[in-house]
Amino acid sequence: ETGVTQSPTHLIKTRGQQVTLRCSSQSGHNTVSWYQQALGQGPQFIFQYYREEENGRGNFPPRFSGLQFPNYSSELNVNALELDDSALYLCASSSFRDGTDTQYFGPGTRLTVL
Amino acid sequence: AQSVTQLDSQVPVFEEAPVELRCNYSSSVSVYLFWYVQYPNQGLQLLLKYLSGSTLVESINGFEAEFNKSQTSFHLRKPSVHISDTAEYFCAVSDLDNYGQNFVFGPGTRLSVLP
Repeated sequence: ETGVTQSPTHLIKTRGQQVTLRCSSQSGHNTVSWYQQALGQGPQFIFQYYREEENGRGNFPPRFSGLQFPNYSSELNVNALELDDSALYLCASSSFRDGTDTQYFGPGTRLTVL
Repeated sequence: AQSVTQLDSQVPVFEEAPVELRCNYSSSVSVYLFWYVQYPNQGLQLLLKYLSGSTLVESINGFEAEFNKSQTSFHLRKPSVHISDTAEYFCAVSDLDNYGQNFVFGPGTRLSVLP
């Protein structure tokens, strides 16, 4: 069984730039959620994708957007980067069929905005 | 809206001593409850979960947590900790009625096991 993978591992951008983070879900999972984890804090829910459509969104501005592909992999796009966007971005996959919302996390992408 | 409180931001404990990490939640509906562990520079790993049935759930590495509905708590315990248990621990709650849209984490408790 293949776990959740994310790329890249680390990324450095400057303010105003755009970034794309990628996630491959665990085998058999059809739902992907994205979280932002600032230093010293718990993960904050950004949004979730199920069957290629957004299935819920946290309190993040529209410059945070996403995609889910037919193979259930996903991208997180952030436009007009701000210094406060520096964080660990976590992707989690789950199975709607499971019905328990148990989420399995990838290792994360560490984004630094200078 | 749901929320999760982890009252202790840091818990230092000596090796082989018992530990309890506290978690309280607020929700107006039935929930699933989870504990995740995060080792330095890594993602989150599922430690254990309560879905239904027995209120006491156990992990494979000796941790256990008990769901207490009346006290809205899901405290994590281990009778004897090891150096390797040093990590950040996050309690999380999921709303059964809003799948995926209300997976809320607490702020975390940093467990430091001292030799």
